[in-house]
Amino acid sequence: DAEITQSPRHKITETGRQVTLACHQTWNHNNMFWYRQDLGHGLRLIHYSYGVQDTNKGEVSDGYSVSRSNTEDLPLTLESAASSQTSVYFCASSSGTYNEQFFGPGTRLTVL
Amino acid sequence: EDKVVQSPLSLVVHEGDTVTLNCSYEVTNFRSLLWYKQEKKAPTFLFMLTSSGIEKKSGRLSSILDKKELFSILNITATQTGDSAIYLCAAGRGNNDMRFGAGTRLTVKP
Repeated sequence: DAEITQSPRHKITETGRQVTLACHQTWNHNNMFWYRQDLGHGLRLIHYSYGVQDTNKGEVSDGYSVSRSNTEDLPLTLESAASSQTSVYFCASSSGTYNEQFFGPGTRLTVL
Repeated sequence: EDKVVQSPLSLVVHEGDTVTLNCSYEVTNFRSLLWYKQEKKAPTFLFMLTSSGIEKKSGRLSSILDKKELFSILNITATQTGDSAIYLCAAGRGNNDMRFGAGTRLTVKP
């Protein structure tokens, strides 16, 4: 069955370190998205991609970057982790024909 | 600025009650309104609405969209403890991204 996976599921890091969160989907979807979820804010879009070599900034992109070298993967990098980036991160994908997005299981990141 | 507002932010009811969750939106190039249910993990898809006035129904859940007044409601009848979750509303835009509301936390007590 097609699926979307994230790794690691839990991560603790220190302020200033570079961190990369992985997202892999086997739906063959063109569109992939990264969100962060914090209490009181719902899901906020960080970056998204409509296909290989395409990346776009979302509403809370500062301090994050993504790259899309193939259809299946969209890794999210925190260049220099900050305590404000402690959050739960969700990756999602969609086919583009409709807006329905399928979500990965999430990564809980703690920055100390 | 695009925004999606959900109300109430939290709600506590007893089993058997009927609840109505609200979602209003203002987004550019609106395309669809989606509802998700989130328990202790990833959001799971409930409904996608694109046309005004057409109710979508799945068991005890139903939803409708009003594109003139820019809102949607999600109804849950005969609530059960398993309905306890955060319900997220999202407005899908023509460029395939979505703006989410903050969610409504529903607690159903036995």
